[in-house]
Amino acid sequence: RKEVEQDPGPFNVPEGATVAFNCTYSNSASQSFFWYRQDCRKEPKLLMSVYSSGNEDGRFTAQLNRASQYISLLIRDSKLSDSATYLCVVNQRAAGNKLTFGGGTRVLVKP
Amino acid sequence: NAGVTQTPKFRVLKTGQSMTLLCAQDMNHEYMYWYRQDPGMGLRLIHYSVGEGTTAKGEVPDGYNVSRLKKQNFLLGLESAAPSQTSVYFCASSPRGQAGQPQHFGDGTRLSIL
Repeated sequence: RKEVEQDPGPFNVPEGATVAFNCTYSNSASQSFFWYRQDCRKEPKLLMSVYSSGNEDGRFTAQLNRASQYISLLIRDSKLSDSATYLCVVNQRAAGNKLTFGGGTRVLVKP
Repeated sequence: NAGVTQTPKFRVLKTGQSMTLLCAQDMNHEYMYWYRQDPGMGLRLIHYSVGEGTTAKGEVPDGYNVSRLKKQNFLLGLESAAPSQTSVYFCASSPRGQAGQPQHFGDGTRLSIL
């Protein structure tokens, strides 16, 4: 079983709609959580950190469920520019701030 | 701000050739990392460094060597390139501190081994 698992998609989303997807992690000692965005053939870029109480950044909302070991990302009022691959990233309590990446969920926003 | 800079951006090698990928960061970060990304596999950690003069193995270190002689630079070497090392390589850096610091990525090196 992979340490961080994501539905690869693609999620085909009409412009203006809401899309949500989850990521599960296997290590209960995981300490910190992030969502990164990766555009085709580009480097990953931090979208947002995920806090225990849940957090929002504009149209993006992230939730953490430690009991069930998953995090979620919700995108409201989807824009064409939201089309990308979203990477779920988990940090264990280990030296070196090592991160474990999920395989990514691809989102395609269409007019 | 340059952030994390990788050179070269693209390279084609023949099997058995050697090369070095350079990563430079100007953010005074203590930690640096090398990843490879293959289709459907996500990013996998090759080697990392928690400070000048120190390196450690990641998830997929075989066939690669690294050096961190200066805090701002992290070099990834392929001693004898193999077709299985065809991939996109990303370097990243992060500050030292409490666990949970996000990493900042370079824009990648696309390497093809023929």
